[in-house]
Amino acid sequence: IQMTQSPSLLSASVGDRVTLSCKAGQNINNYLAWYQQKLGEAPKLLIYNANSLQTGIPSRFSGSGSGTDFTLTISSLQPEDVATYFCQQYNSWTTFGSGTKLEIK
Amino acid sequence: EVQLVESGGGLVQPGRSLKLSCAASGFTFSNYYMAWVRQAPTKGLEWVASITNSGGSTYYRDSVKGRFTISRDNAKSTLYLQMDSLRSEDTATYYCTPDFGYNPYWGQGVMVTVSS
Repeated sequence: IQMTQSPSLLSASVGDRVTLSCKAGQNINNYLAWYQQKLGEAPKLLIYNANSLQTGIPSRFSGSGSGTDFTLTISSLQPEDVATYFCQQYNSWTTFGSGTKLEIK
Repeated sequence: EVQLVESGGGLVQPGRSLKLSCAASGFTFSNYYMAWVRQAPTKGLEWVASITNSGGSTYYRDSVKGRFTISRDNAKSTLYLQMDSLRSEDTATYYCTPDFGYNPYWGQGVMVTVSS
């Protein structure tokens, strides 16, 4: 299943509300996860089952959507949120999106 | 605290073999499916292989079928990836991760470079 993320690069200011998009090539129900990967580090799970926040992840991160269209929202962007964000479907085997690189303006 | 420590990577010539290991701790290893996920330099993430908690069933992406073998030793809480007939396109950082469908924990990764 093809996963398409947009935009590929996003520049925003500290305190902004930021929205990242992930579209699946077919219905994946709610089997969608979001990861944050900082430069030189392993990915970190943020959200699973489309909208469940992983333990220890700040509440400014939230996930929404169903079917084929999903969104990761950061309610108030912080400097430490600079990273690349990947979505992953696990409804049929598993595939990852190509990522959205988030920068501070 | 969950820890996953990968080892065994390095520089290898095309056509040669390499075996990766992943030592797990901080959770009951034998209860969980496990997976290898890789990331080519400056690229995205790509699932490679998974194994059931007993080791009785294994699954591979098409591009590594017949060349890679995933296995585990539950007594040692260790996951393995035997990589044979390596190709330049296998160059990547390889991560060991519990497979819940999604992947809640990740090791630091081990780099594999396939080049002559």
